[in-house]
Amino acid sequence: EIVLTQSPGTLSLSPGERATLSCRASQSVSSSYLAWYQQKAGQAPRLLIHGASSRATGIPDRFSGSGSGTDFTLTISRLEPEDFAVYYCQQYGSSYTFGQGTKLEIK
Amino acid sequence: QVQLVESGGGVVQPGRSLRLSCAASGFSFSSYAMHWVRQAPGKGLEWVAVISYDGTNNYYADSVKGRFTISRDNSKNTLYLQMNSLRAEDTAVYYCARGETVTIGPDGFGHDYFDYWGQGTLVTVSS
Repeated sequence: EIVLTQSPGTLSLSPGERATLSCRASQSVSSSYLAWYQQKAGQAPRLLIHGASSRATGIPDRFSGSGSGTDFTLTISRLEPEDFAVYYCQQYGSSYTFGQGTKLEIK
Repeated sequence: QVQLVESGGGVVQPGRSLRLSCAASGFSFSSYAMHWVRQAPGKGLEWVAVISYDGTNNYYADSVKGRFTISRDNSKNTLYLQMNSLRAEDTAVYYCARGETVTIGPDGFGHDYFDYWGQGTLVTVSS
């Protein structure tokens, strides 16, 4: 099973700042089958990024994904108030596993 | 617009059974793989099961294999999860999600990301 480790566990930033979230896999994720989801309290997850770097439909361009192999990054270029949430990475190259999440909170 | 609406959750005793449903609308249900994903209270996401677009292939997480069965009725645009021998650790919000299949492996297992999710239904296993 591919284990995904996200860091940091909690990230405290202010609106307007840049956020960098990391997702490290225990083994290489084939064909960059890596997605990112945003989840707000009491809501279902929402797809942000698939294929490591492709934005999902309707996702603002301040969200970007990068990486390959075992190291992946989600970057939010300029935080808006609605971006404070929990973010999960997921690999779909070998069955399906999620990272434990990074909570992005307002500083 | 794509809509997924789960139902069937509730409180159930350990060892009992429960069946969840997910009603789909706004897209061609019979063309997509479908998944169940769960989230224990205050915890992260755990993939549970997947069924292919035509129902011929299904796969399960080890934690539910042999106890849960995923199925679908394409004539009713509905996905199901039959949960037997429930345990306290099955307590979670259960989400159905549409799978956007990138490729399918030689074993029939798809590489899907989850592009639409339902709002979830809570299952509580407690005596």
